Amino acid sequence: AQRVTQPEKLLSVFKGAPVELKCNYSYSGSPELFWYVQYSRQRLQLLLRHISRESIKGFTADLNKGETSFHLKKPFAQEEDSAMYYCALLSGNTPLVFGKGTRLSVIA
Amino acid sequence: EAGVAQSPRYKIIEKRQSVAFWCNPISGHATLYWYQQILGQGPKLLIQFQNNGVVDDSQLPKDRFSAERLKGVDSTLKIQPAKLEDSAVYLCASSRTWGNTEAFFGQGTRLTVV
Repeated sequence: AQRVTQPEKLLSVFKGAPVELKCNYSYSGSPELFWYVQYSRQRLQLLLRHISRESIKGFTADLNKGETSFHLKKPFAQEEDSAMYYCALLSGNTPLVFGKGTRLSVIA
Repeated sequence: EAGVAQSPRYKIIEKRQSVAFWCNPISGHATLYWYQQILGQGPKLLIQFQNNGVVDDSQLPKDRFSAERLKGVDSTLKIQPAKLEDSAVYLCASSRTWGNTEAFFGQGTRLTVV
């Protein structure tokens, strides 16, 4: 069965420092990977998806099939990046499976 | 476009009572999901509808949980009877279709069972 692992529950970085939120998955086929974000008092929303290969709010994520990873990166963290981040996997005809999430705290 | 609407936002009930949650997806979205999010964990799928048919309910505790999607639009999720471990945020999400399309989430209903 597909599984998403986010090893860090909490990640604290200083403003301007690089950020990397880790995500590993287990799935034998070709999955679709996503990062969802939940800012304080807001609903869960899509941040980016691997097939788009785009940068959103300065964040990028590359799918590494060899390492089964989809880490989220940003070169310079901003205070407004503080939020809960969830990695999610979609495979075949199965619905989204989420990791447990990582809380990013950017310290001024 | 209007977002996914859920009600109520908060609900407190005693164990063994019943509770129902309502979701109105984005207009035209064929796929509707109900997720359960326990504090400190990621959302866990309970049930997925495609129009008014159930696609996946493998993780729905069917002895106490039920859900329906009338006419393929609004949906209700019911718990009867509730247990303490059902305390969680219940999220509704919708997407245009099944597969690799963005899922839009509602604000959620926070259920506390005492």
